[in-house]
Amino acid sequence: DAGITQSPRHKVTETGTPVTLRCHQTENHRYMYWYRQDPGHGLRLIHYSYGVKDTDKGEVSDGYSVSRSKTEDFLLTLESATSSQTSVYFCAISQGSNQPQHFGDGTRLSIL
Amino acid sequence: GDSVTQMEGPVTLSEEAFLTINCTYTATGYPSLFWYVQYPGEGLQLLLKATKADDKGSNKGFEATYRKETTSFHLEKGSVQVSDSAVYFCALYSGGGADGLTFGKGTHLIIQP
Repeated sequence: DAGITQSPRHKVTETGTPVTLRCHQTENHRYMYWYRQDPGHGLRLIHYSYGVKDTDKGEVSDGYSVSRSKTEDFLLTLESATSSQTSVYFCAISQGSNQPQHFGDGTRLSIL
Repeated sequence: GDSVTQMEGPVTLSEEAFLTINCTYTATGYPSLFWYVQYPGEGLQLLLKATKADDKGSNKGFEATYRKETTSFHLEKGSVQVSDSAVYFCALYSGGGADGLTFGKGTHLIIQP
C-alpha cells in the first residue's frame, strides 16, 4: 500500500469551529489531493497541490483552504466549519497529474 | 465540463455470475480512464486503467476496454466472488481543468453466496 496517513481518522466538532485535517505521505510524490465523499455524489475534488507551496482549487473549494509547506504534508483547513461540511475526506497522491492516484483511508468528519 | 455516469445500484448477483458495470463519460480531448474499488471503511484502491482508445485494462479477473466511439469503459468479470462485494467507481482524467480525477457516483455491488 502507498504510504499515506490521514489524521485524525474520526472527528466530531461544532459549527463555527476551525478544523484542520492532515495528510502525510512517505512516497515523495509531487501531487497531493483532497476529496470529499458524500452519498449520491461520489468523490469531488476540493483542492490539490502540484508542489511545495503550489496549490489550486477544485470543484468544491468554497469554505476550505490548504497548505503544503513540505513535500510530505498537505493540510486541509475548514476556517469555520458548517454542517454542510460533514463528510468523509480522502487524501490522494500521484507522481504526475495523469498518473493513477493512491488514496488514504479517509477522515470521517461530523459537524454538529 | 467532464462527467462520468455509472449505474448506482445496488447491484446484487449470485456467486459465479457474470458482472457488468456500465460507465460512460463526457470529456475534452482524450482522457485516461480508471476503475477504483472501495471496501467498507477503507479508501479507494486502483483496480485498473486505460490511457488510450482500444486499450484494455485488467486486474484480478476484472477487465475494461476504452471505447472512444461509444465513450464507454464498462467493467466486466466472468465469475464474481463474495469477496468482490464493494463499491466500484469509474473515473477519468482529461487535464482540461483542475488536475484531479472526475468520478462517477459509484456502484454498490453485493455478491450473495
